[in-house]
Order: sequence, then structure tokens, then C-alpha cells
Amino acid sequence: EAGVTQFPSHSVIEKGQTVTLRCDPISGHDNLYWYRRVMGKEIKFLLHFVKESKQDESGMPNNRFLAERTGGTYSTLKVQPAELEDSGVYFCASSRKQGWNTEAFFGQGTRLTVV
Amino acid sequence: TQLLEQSPQFLSIQEGENLTVYCNSSSVFSSLQWYRQEPGEGPVLLVTVVTGGEVKKLKRLTFQFGDARKDSSLHITAAQPGDTGLYLCAGSHYGGSQGNLIFGKGTKLSVKP
Repeated sequence: EAGVTQFPSHSVIEKGQTVTLRCDPISGHDNLYWYRRVMGKEIKFLLHFVKESKQDESGMPNNRFLAERTGGTYSTLKVQPAELEDSGVYFCASSRKQGWNTEAFFGQGTRLTVV
Repeated sequence: TQLLEQSPQFLSIQEGENLTVYCNSSSVFSSLQWYRQEPGEGPVLLVTVVTGGEVKKLKRLTFQFGDARKDSSLHITAAQPGDTGLYLCAGSHYGGSQGNLIFGKGTKLSVKP
């Protein structure tokens, strides 16, 4: 069974540009989560999809961030326009069921650098 | 405000030594998880504890959830170089979003042969 895969693994963009991160969850996992780790800080929740619906987007920093999960399969996280403080590692995770008593599997992350 | 404080932040020990990593909070958690992360990879779940006072063992790793469900510890017996990595605790709150996991900053463990 393939794990959670994220593309690209690294991205370096200039301030003001747009970047789109992609996450392919494990097949059959309805729940998909985006997290971010900014340097020196803890991993922080961004949002949670159940299938194609946004269950909780309380962690999204501002309206420059747009997450989608059309068809309930893969998800994209677009940052437009990117700012310096958006630099960090963006993790995606998926789980079959809701709740943290069930195991969630994390992708390897996308390291975003905004210069 | 950091809701989950992990200590120590860094730990460098010799192979065969024992160690304990702590995860503390003033908040009550409905469950708490421990992850291990290696460079260039995402966190990998080690264990989930859900009951106050619960103790779980995974080979040489022993995990404990505090009676008040505000703290947890990870004890490694006879550490091996393969235990090297970043250990993260993460908790979920009662009544909170099912997806919103609160992470600690992590403990970077280095075990030298």
C-alpha cells in the first residue's frame, strides 16, 4: 500500500509568487489533514478535509492560503501571493477514520522557502 | 503560547544508556500521541494513549499518560543508535476538532555508538 505522498519535496519561490503543494493520501482514507512547521516552532494544524468537505479550517493563517480537495481524492494547498513568513515544511496526513485514536499517516513534507 | 512543552529539547547519550522525555501541559487532553521523525520524513506514529495513568510498552520504549491527562513521558531503556531521531508528542482536546492535533516542539535524540 502506497503511503501519503507530497509534491514537490522542495520549492524555492520569490516573495509575491504563487506556489501549489499537492498531497496524495492513502487510497480509501477519507480524512486528510494539512499541517505546517515553521522553523523553530512546533508543527501546527492548518485544516482537515473529510472527503471533499472542509471539516475544520481554523488553522489557516489568512486568505492567501487556499486548500482544495476536489473529488475527495488528492488535495492541493495554494499560497498566493507567498510571503517570507510562509517558509516552512508543509505536512499532509491522512486517516481512514476521524479522531486521533485512529492512526494517521504523514507524508514526507514539502519544504517551502520564500526568498 | 505553547500548549505542549517537551523537555529536554536536545539529548545526546551513549549507546546502552536509559533516557526519559517529558511532555507537559496545563491543558487536559482526550488522547496523546508520540511520534518519531527522521530527517526528510514525516512523523511516524509510535503510540496513542487515551486513559489517565495508562502505560504502554513498545519493545524498549515505555509510554505513560499522566493521571490527570495533562502530561506524558517516553522512557527508552538501553538506547541504540537506531533510536536517534526527533520525538514528538501531540495531543487532542476534548470537544476540539478531530483533526486539530497540538504538537510539542520535539526532543532531538542522538545515541552514539
